[in-house]
Amino acid sequence: EAGVTQFPSHSVIEKGQTVTLRCDPISGHDNLYWYRRVMGKEIKFLLHFVKESKQDESGMPNNRFLAERTGGTYSTLKVQPAELEDSGVYFCASSQDAGTSYEQYFGPGTRLTVT
Amino acid sequence: GQQVMQIPQYQHVQEGEDFTTYCNSSTTLSNIQWYKQRPGGHPVFLIQLVKSGEVKKQKRLTFQFGEAKKNSSLHITATQTTDVGTYFCAGGVYAGGTSYGKLTFGQGTILTVHP
Repeated sequence: EAGVTQFPSHSVIEKGQTVTLRCDPISGHDNLYWYRRVMGKEIKFLLHFVKESKQDESGMPNNRFLAERTGGTYSTLKVQPAELEDSGVYFCASSQDAGTSYEQYFGPGTRLTVT
Repeated sequence: GQQVMQIPQYQHVQEGEDFTTYCNSSTTLSNIQWYKQRPGGHPVFLIQLVKSGEVKKQKRLTFQFGEAKKNSSLHITATQTTDVGTYFCAGGVYAGGTSYGKLTFGQGTILTVHP
């Protein structure tokens, strides 16, 4: 069974540019989560999809971040325009069932550097 | 908002020594999960604790959940070089109703083991 995959693995962009990150969850997992880890700090929740619906987007930093999951399969996270403080590792995770009681399977992450 | 504090931030041990990392939540948790991230890797689920005072073991790893469900610890006996990585706790809080809640991660403890 394939795990959670993310693309790209690394992205270096200039301040003001746009970047789109992609996550493919484990097949059959309706729940998809986006997290971000800024260097040396905790992994912070961004949002949670149940199929194509946004269940919780309370962790999204501001309106420069837009997440979509059309069709309830893969998800994209777009940052437009990027700022320096957006640098970090963006993780995607999926789980078979929703809620905090279920194991989440993490992808390898996308390391975003904004210069 | 909910916070989960994790200490220490770093721990260097000689191979064969024991290691412990602690997590403390500002609010009562419904459950706590532990993840391990190897250098260059992504978080991998280790275990979940749900009951007050619960203790679980996985070979040399012992996980505890406090009686008040606000703190937790991970203890590794006789560390090995394969234990190297960052250990994260993640606390879950049931949000009530139809809300699934979300995980709040601690900052992680970076463990290095000298052979």
